[in-house]
Amino acid sequence: QKEVEQNSGPLSVPEGAIASLNCTYSDRGSQSFFWYRQYSGKSPELIMSIYSNGDKEDGRFTAQLNKASQYVSLLIRDSQPSDSATYLCAPQGASGGSYIPTFGRGTSLIVHP
Amino acid sequence: DVKVTQSSRYLVKRTGEKVFLECVQDMDHENMFWYRQDPGLGLRLIYFSYDVKMKEKGDIPEGYSVSREKKERFSLILESASTNQTSMYLCASLRGSGANVLTFGAGSRLTVL
Repeated sequence: QKEVEQNSGPLSVPEGAIASLNCTYSDRGSQSFFWYRQYSGKSPELIMSIYSNGDKEDGRFTAQLNKASQYVSLLIRDSQPSDSATYLCAPQGASGGSYIPTFGRGTSLIVHP
Repeated sequence: DVKVTQSSRYLVKRTGEKVFLECVQDMDHENMFWYRQDPGLGLRLIYFSYDVKMKEKGDIPEGYSVSREKKERFSLILESASTNQTSMYLCASLRGSGANVLTFGAGSRLTVL
């Protein structure tokens, strides 16, 4: 069973602060790593992807990957109330040539004014 | 933009009824997935398909079946609905090569009475 672990939260941060979301995964065959954001009552939407060790920045978002430690994180700088959502970590492995996305349970983020 | 359409946004069914959840994508994606999402349990994979007439069990296939007669359509079937199948059901599709980003439908909230 492939495991993806996230702290369910809620993680509460003040507006303007840095929110740090963490994820560990068990499948060493995972090749791609995705962060999805899900607002209450809505479907998940992709916000970041990372494939190589190190950092990847996109606007206020930075994804960090350490394959040796099987750890991926998402940093949100200058957090805004509109960032309040559940963030899903999704390492992606392969089975028989198909890519099988597996999700963590998600971390609930609350950004308060 | 890729569009994934789920036929029913809200359904209410009775125990023992047969339930069909339909999903259609318009971007010629090879891979399609059915997840269910429950509070505290995250997204759990029910079934997936990587080609027409092909299907693979996910993590929680019991009580469900699927059909993929055409590339664009992936149906989830509950042969005899039970109250523990009350949940949000999310369909997603993914291209078979290149960027492995899931695109989700809006979801179908099923209540079984």
